[in-house]
This record gives sequence, C-alpha cells and structure tokens, in this order.
Amino acid sequence: DQQVKQNSPSLSVQEGRISILNCDYTNSMFDYFLWYKKYPAEGPTFLISISSIKDKNEDGRFTVFLNKSAKHLSLHIVPSQPGDSAVYFCAGGNTGNQFYFGTGTSLTVIP
Amino acid sequence: NAGVTQTPKFRVLKTGQSMTLLCAQDMNHEYMYWYRQDPGMGLRLIHYSVGEGTTAKGEVPDGYNVSRLKKQNFLLGLESAAPSQTSVYFCASSYSINRKTILTGELFFGEGSRLTVL
Repeated sequence: DQQVKQNSPSLSVQEGRISILNCDYTNSMFDYFLWYKKYPAEGPTFLISISSIKDKNEDGRFTVFLNKSAKHLSLHIVPSQPGDSAVYFCAGGNTGNQFYFGTGTSLTVIP
Repeated sequence: NAGVTQTPKFRVLKTGQSMTLLCAQDMNHEYMYWYRQDPGMGLRLIHYSVGEGTTAKGEVPDGYNVSRLKKQNFLLGLESAAPSQTSVYFCASSYSINRKTILTGELFFGEGSRLTVL
C-alpha cells in the first residue's frame, strides 16, 4: 500500500525552463513532506521540506507547493540547470519520525 | 566529517548465507533507519530505531534483523539470504522531530550498499 506516489517515472526539460515534479499521498496524518535528490551511486540528499500547515516553501530555485485538500504536492525548479538532472524522491513524515517515500522521478535537463 | 558511513559498499552472497551491514553515524542522531531501493519501488523502510537499544519494524521487515547496541551504530542482518533480497540498501539517520521548533527531522543518508544474492 503505497502511501506516497510519484506517477511520472521520468521528465525531460530544456535548460532554463521550469521543471515541475508531482507527488500524491494517501496518508492525511503526515506532518511534513520532504524532497530528496539522488545522483547515481550516491545516497539521497535532502533538498527542501514543507510543514503540513504551510502551502508553500521556497529556497532559491526550488519551491514546494502543498495542496492538502487534493493530497498533492509539487516541486518547482526554476530555472532548471543540467546539474539538476537526478532522481527526485518525495517523502511524507510523521511525528514518529517515520518517512515514506515515493518511487522517484528521473529528471533530465537538456542543455 | 563523515556523516553516515555504510560498510561494505558491495557484497555478493549465495542463497542461504548470512551477512551483516554496518551503519555508523557521527552526528549524535537519535533515529536511524534501514531502507532498500528497488527499481520501480522507490525507497522502502525495513527497520528503524528511535534510540539506543530500541528497534521497530518498517514496511518490509521480513527476512531482516537489526540491532542498535550503541547510539552511533545500526546493524542490519540477513540470517539466510534470498535472491529477493538483492537490492541497494541505504542507512539513514535523523534528529527527532521537534514540532515546537519546527525542525524537519530530515534524513541524512549513507552512500548505499549494493547486495547481490545468487
């Protein structure tokens, strides 16, 4: 029973344009959501998070939007750069410090 | 400044063999986790620990055992390896969530251990 879903396995975007990665969740008890970035042969690294009481969080080129009524969040990367090419995982977390990950979206930024 | 370190990085086992993956963190984190990553499945939680001497089951615990005898170490054991346990294993650690200070409790991951069971 996948609590966090990323329905797009891959995404290709031109350099300089916006990348939008989507994530849906089923567990309404998540307290916050996180995005991780993963390069091949490396562990995932934290990118950005958002509390469940917020609807937007911004950090430089990265913005995460949360729509609780739709149980949907998205990560916007503007402008996209070739170095952003990686697999992106979204995750939901609860007060028990348990994290549930989606299946990932592979982003390719074309120079 | 090592962060989270996993050993070994690679291992090939025969069906029925046993092995232990070691995870060490130097950030004084309370929480530690073991995940496995499989194609099309994302990261799935195997076991986790909320502190020294405590462990709990995650989403896919069957076939694995864990121990947290010291705060900085979290061991993942396979008593009788099966081909279905071929995967990349990631260890992670975090602080506990503090809602008052709005800490995210973000995870810090190791580089992964690739295990193949023949």
